[in-house]
Amino acid sequence: GAGVSQSPSNKVTEKGKDVELRCDPISGHTALYWYRQSLGQGLEFLIYFQGNSAPDKSGLPSDRFSAERTGGSVSTLTIQRTQQEDSAVYLCATGGGKSYNEQFFGPGTRLTVL
Amino acid sequence: SQQGEEDPQALSIQEGENATMNCSYKTSINNLQWYRQNSGRGLVHLILIRSNEREKHSGRLRVTLDTSKKSSSLLITASRAADTASYFCATDASGSARQLTFGSGTQLTVLP
Repeated sequence: GAGVSQSPSNKVTEKGKDVELRCDPISGHTALYWYRQSLGQGLEFLIYFQGNSAPDKSGLPSDRFSAERTGGSVSTLTIQRTQQEDSAVYLCATGGGKSYNEQFFGPGTRLTVL
Repeated sequence: SQQGEEDPQALSIQEGENATMNCSYKTSINNLQWYRQNSGRGLVHLILIRSNEREKHSGRLRVTLDTSKKSSSLLITASRAADTASYFCATDASGSARQLTFGSGTQLTVLP
C-alpha cells in the first residue's frame, strides 16, 4: 500500500526476551522516526533517521534499545532483555516527502511484556 | 518532558456542538501541527500552522496560533460522533520536521 506499515501489530513477550519491531516506510520518504506511547499518554520520541546521516538516538531510554535502517528504507527497532515497563505502543512515522513538514504514521505495534 | 501541553485532558460534548482544545508550548517554533489518533493507533495529520500565521481553516477545523502567548487552539465545529478521538498538538522548532514534540493530548468524546 501507499502508507507506512508496521509489523507485528501486536506482540506479547516474556520479560527478558528480545523483540524486533519492523517499519516499512512510504517510498521516497527520507526521514523515519520511532516513537513510544504508553497508555493514555503522548508520544515519546525515540530515534530519528534522515537519509544517510547518523541517526539521532537522543530519545532512546536505555542501551537495551537500538534501531537500524537498512538501505534507507525498512527500519527495525530492537529491544533487548525486555522489561514490563517497555509495554507500550511503538509508532513509526516517515516524512520528507512532498508534504515536507508532515509526518505520516504507521498503525503501531502494541507490545506487551508479561 | 513534553513541550506541548493540551487542555483539557478530556472533553465530552453533544453531537452538533463545537469543541475547543488548547495547546501551550515553551520554546520558539517554526510551525505547530495538530494530529488525531483513533483507538491508540497511528496518528493522522490534520492541519499545520506556521509561526507567521495567526489563523487557518480546513473544513470544520479552525486553528489559531498566538506566538506571544506560545499557545494554539483547535476548534472543531458542528462535531460528529466520528470526531471522537484523541487530538495532539506537535511543535516543530526546526522547520524540517526533524523532530516533532508532541503534547499529551486531549481525549474528545462526541455523544450522539
